[in-house]
Amino acid sequence: GAGVSQTPSNKVTEKGKYVELRCDPISGHTALYWYRQSLGQGPEFLIYFQGTGAADDSGLPNDRFFAVRPEGSVSTLKIQRTERGDSAVYLCASSPLGQTYNEQFFGPGTRLTVL
Amino acid sequence: GNSVTQMEGPVTLSEEAFLTINCTYTATGYPSLFWYVQYPGEGLQLLLKATKADDKGSNKGFEATYRKETTSFHLEKGSVQVSDSAVYFCALSAPGTGGFKTIFGAGTRLFVKA
Repeated sequence: GAGVSQTPSNKVTEKGKYVELRCDPISGHTALYWYRQSLGQGPEFLIYFQGTGAADDSGLPNDRFFAVRPEGSVSTLKIQRTERGDSAVYLCASSPLGQTYNEQFFGPGTRLTVL
Repeated sequence: GNSVTQMEGPVTLSEEAFLTINCTYTATGYPSLFWYVQYPGEGLQLLLKATKADDKGSNKGFEATYRKETTSFHLEKGSVQVSDSAVYFCALSAPGTGGFKTIFGAGTRLFVKA
């Protein structure tokens, strides 16, 4: 079956611009996560959705970052006024309802480069 | 807060050598523990997991035992292959605000030479 997909795979933008990154989770997975992975580091939690609502957005670094999941499936991570420090690989993961141990299935990531 | 610490890489081994990658954690409550692997050019994928103390997770010849007394989850393999070259991430998942939050270590890069 289809895994988690993310588009675009690469995004190059200029400082100050707005970007949107899209995640399509595995069909039927109710939980969706966004992470940011900088070079040589592990994934850093940004936000977690259970259905349509953001259950935990404590990892968003500041108010330039926002994410939505209006129909409980596809999610979009939005970054306003991008800065060079936002350059990283943005990972999306999903997991099915009811797991107590929370195995996550990851997409290939979007590599964001802010010039 | 919750955290994961794993040994720094890179780790370079010859084929058929024994592998250990150390991982320790700090968590409140009873987290689940994971090893994820990232092969070159591929996405993160789950390698193995353990959900309670003394559980042993295993897959593809890799093993890790959930040791609550030492708060550790060290990854081991008896005989590595060139195809095991990848970055390995230790992670924990614990109940947080509104659900589960997964915390990852910084990753350990493994190179296996033929």
